[in-house]
Amino acid sequence: AQTVTQSQPEMSVQEAETVTLSCTYDTSESDYYLFWYKQPPSRQMILVIRQEAYKQQNATENRFSVNFQKAAKSFSLKISDSQLGDAAMYFCAYRSDSGNTPLVFGKGTRLSVIA
Amino acid sequence: DVKVTQSSRYLVKRTGEKVFLECVQDMDHENMFWYRQDPGLGLRLIYFSYDVKMKEKGDIPEGYSVSREKKERFSLILESASTNQTSMYLCASSLVAGGSYNEQFFGPGTRLTVL
Repeated sequence: AQTVTQSQPEMSVQEAETVTLSCTYDTSESDYYLFWYKQPPSRQMILVIRQEAYKQQNATENRFSVNFQKAAKSFSLKISDSQLGDAAMYFCAYRSDSGNTPLVFGKGTRLSVIA
Repeated sequence: DVKVTQSSRYLVKRTGEKVFLECVQDMDHENMFWYRQDPGLGLRLIYFSYDVKMKEKGDIPEGYSVSREKKERFSLILESASTNQTSMYLCASSLVAGGSYNEQFFGPGTRLTVL
């Protein structure tokens, strides 16, 4: 079974600085999808960014980018120019491309942004 | 935009009560999911459904059951609520996986307290 590990339960960043959240996963599959979700305090979980395993190019969405290292099974999220609104729980998730399977989530990283 | 709604944001029940948590999605998604979220444990899958009247057990199905009589609605049932079921419950939906991201879309969550 696949597992997703987020080794940083909590992190903090100064406003306008850059922060990187770590995520590693364990799988024997070659085709899969990876996601980062954001859950602001008392608000709905939303998708931040996603990556297909067969794509070598790292995904980017505005200030959010990933560093996808397939061989190392690593999928880190970089947030540039951090803003107060980035404060949230961030979850890394994996989905197999084999069959109709649910996402497998990491335990999350709580990010604080310091003004 | 996909909209996933949950019947209650906050719910307080007594031990032994039968509890129904309702989830509705408006984008004709085949898959629907129920998770519970606890601090330090991340999201854990309780049940998911890939079609009407179909269900699959997730990682922690004990003490829960589900019902999916219509495609847009997925109910989580606690037959006899216990204090260890105090948690945040998240519903999600997605298209059938396969060949594309088909990420999950989440509802706002129901914070259930069992006294």
